[in-house]
Amino acid sequence: EVQLLESGGVLVQPGGSLRLSCAASGFTFSSYAINWVRQAPGKGLEWVSNINSGGGTDYADSVKGRFTVSRDNSKNTLYLQMNSLRAEDTAVYYCAKSLTSGWYGSCDYWGQGTLVTVSS
Amino acid sequence: DIQMTQSPSSVSASVGDRVTITCRASQGISSSLAWYQQKPGKAPKLLIYAASNLQSGVPSRFSGSGSGTDFTLTISSLQPEDFATYYCEQSKRFPLTFGGGTKVEIK
Repeated sequence: EVQLLESGGVLVQPGGSLRLSCAASGFTFSSYAINWVRQAPGKGLEWVSNINSGGGTDYADSVKGRFTVSRDNSKNTLYLQMNSLRAEDTAVYYCAKSLTSGWYGSCDYWGQGTLVTVSS
Repeated sequence: DIQMTQSPSSVSASVGDRVTITCRASQGISSSLAWYQQKPGKAPKLLIYAASNLQSGVPSRFSGSGSGTDFTLTISSLQPEDFATYYCEQSKRFPLTFGGGTKVEIK
């Protein structure tokens, strides 16, 4: 059974840093691109970043230069390092697996989400 | 960036109704479009990928169509468990972008 489990979401002050983790199981983690998608309270879905099977990365302009996505295939774990956090980064953060090896979107499995709150 | 415009933003419908949601891309995206269903407090669920392919386990009352810039999600006979918010997503190029969502409410 495919599972994605996010962790690391907490209350953090503006300007602070945080690292989210996404532990994967039930599939060949190294073969798939994984996305981070966030959802601010009461709002729609916003794509944050992608890391492909080769380790290549892409970011939304809103987080570029502040967030860094990485993966440890030996641990089947994805990370999102979040620096210089702003109030507008407050959201539930989901990790989501791409449907097919070689694709980037069309995510067939999602974690339960982890809440990041940026506030003083 | 490719903008995805969904309409309507909300729709009130009854059980058994046929519901159609549209998504328009600001530029051509071939068939690189997915549809998701999201219920309150839950993660999104993939319904349709590559514009018209039904994800495994999704009921056949859901269908998708379109290519290029105009896409449609149709629920042929609305069931009580279908009341939710629906999103389209383009994956033609980065940044991946979602539509604003369509909330399907009980009439």
